[in-house]
Amino acid sequence: GAGVSQSPRYKVAKRGQDVALRCDPISGHVSLFWYQQALGQGPEFLTYFQNEAQLDKSGLPSDRFFAERPEGSVSTLKIQRTQQEDSAVYLCASSFRDTNPGETQYFGPGTRLLVL
Amino acid sequence: GNSVTQMEGPVTLSEEAFLTINCTYTATGYPSLFWYVQYPGEGLQLLLKATKADDKGSNKGFEATYRKETTSFHLEKGSVQVSDSAVYFCALSEGGNKLVFGAGTILRVKS
Repeated sequence: GAGVSQSPRYKVAKRGQDVALRCDPISGHVSLFWYQQALGQGPEFLTYFQNEAQLDKSGLPSDRFFAERPEGSVSTLKIQRTQQEDSAVYLCASSFRDTNPGETQYFGPGTRLLVL
Repeated sequence: GNSVTQMEGPVTLSEEAFLTINCTYTATGYPSLFWYVQYPGEGLQLLLKATKADDKGSNKGFEATYRKETTSFHLEKGSVQVSDSAVYFCALSEGGNKLVFGAGTILRVKS
């Protein structure tokens, strides 16, 4: 079956530009996560949805970052007024539910964002 | 807070050598532990996991045992192949929620 998909795969933005990154989770998956992966580092948590509810946004680095999942399926991560330090790979993951210890998260291929 | 520390790489081995990648964690409760792998040009994929102490996760010849007394989850494989060349990430999760990752270890296997 289809896995997690993300678009665009690559995005080049000028500093100050707004960007929107899309994630299509695996159909039927309740939980959706966004992570940021800087070059040479492990992914770091940004935010988490259970259906359409954003239950944890503690990892969003600033108020320029905003995520939504209005119908409990597709999610968009928006970054306003991009800065060079926002350059990273943005990963989306989904899981069937989040209440089971050891629940597997399935990752998309990521969107590589470069801010010039 | 929760954290994961894994051995720095790159680790370079010859084909058929024994592999160990060390991983230790700090957590407030009893987390689930994971190894994810990222092959060149591909996304992160789950390699194996363990959800409670003394559990052993295994897949594709890799294995790791959840050691609560040493807070460790070391990854091992008896005989590596060139196709195992990738970046390996150790991670933990509490309550099935967000993952906390280590920095990753690059593995290079030479033929």
